[in-house]
Amino acid sequence: DIQMTQSPSTLSAFVGARVTITCRASQSISSWLAWYQQRPGKAPKLLIYKASSLESGVPSRFSGSGSGTEFTLTISSLQPDDFATYYCQQYNSLYTFGQGTKLEIK
Amino acid sequence: QVQLVESGRGVVQPGRSLRLSCTASGFTFSSYAMHWVRQAPGKGLEWVAAISYDGSNKYYADSVKGRFTISRDNSKNALYLQVNSLRVEDTAVYFCARDRKQLATRGIIDYWGLGALVTVSS
Repeated sequence: DIQMTQSPSTLSAFVGARVTITCRASQSISSWLAWYQQRPGKAPKLLIYKASSLESGVPSRFSGSGSGTEFTLTISSLQPDDFATYYCQQYNSLYTFGQGTKLEIK
Repeated sequence: QVQLVESGRGVVQPGRSLRLSCTASGFTFSSYAMHWVRQAPGKGLEWVAAISYDGSNKYYADSVKGRFTISRDNSKNALYLQVNSLRVEDTAVYFCARDRKQLATRGIIDYWGLGALVTVSS
């Protein structure tokens, strides 16, 4: 089974800041990686797929990069709506989610 | 627009069974693979099962293999999850979700329902 590890688990930042979340796979998954945003009590929302492709309708301040075993999600200028929990997910071999990164307002 | 609505939530005793349903609308249900994903209270997301567009291929997480069964009825635009031998650790919100592809391998999960809470407790 492929394990996904995100860091940090919690991140505090100011509105307007640039933040990066890292996701590591236990083995190579090529670019078969997605990122989701989940607000409390809501369903997850797809942000990025195939490591770096921006889902339609998602603001361009979100970007993804990486391949193989190491990936990042970057938010270039945090907006109040962006404070949520973010999950990476591999879909190279079945499906596995990272444990999540909670992004909090500083 | 794409809508996925889960039903079948409730409180169930350990060892008992439950069937979750998901009704889809706003897209051609029979052309897409579908998934179930769960989230225990205060915890992260866990993929549970997937089924191809025609129901011919099914995939399960090791944690539920042999106890859960995913199925679909394309004539009713419905997805199901039969959950047997329930355990306390199966307590979670169960999300129905759509895959962007027909086959349930290397698929992108793009739309999610609001979820159905299943509580396993004596």
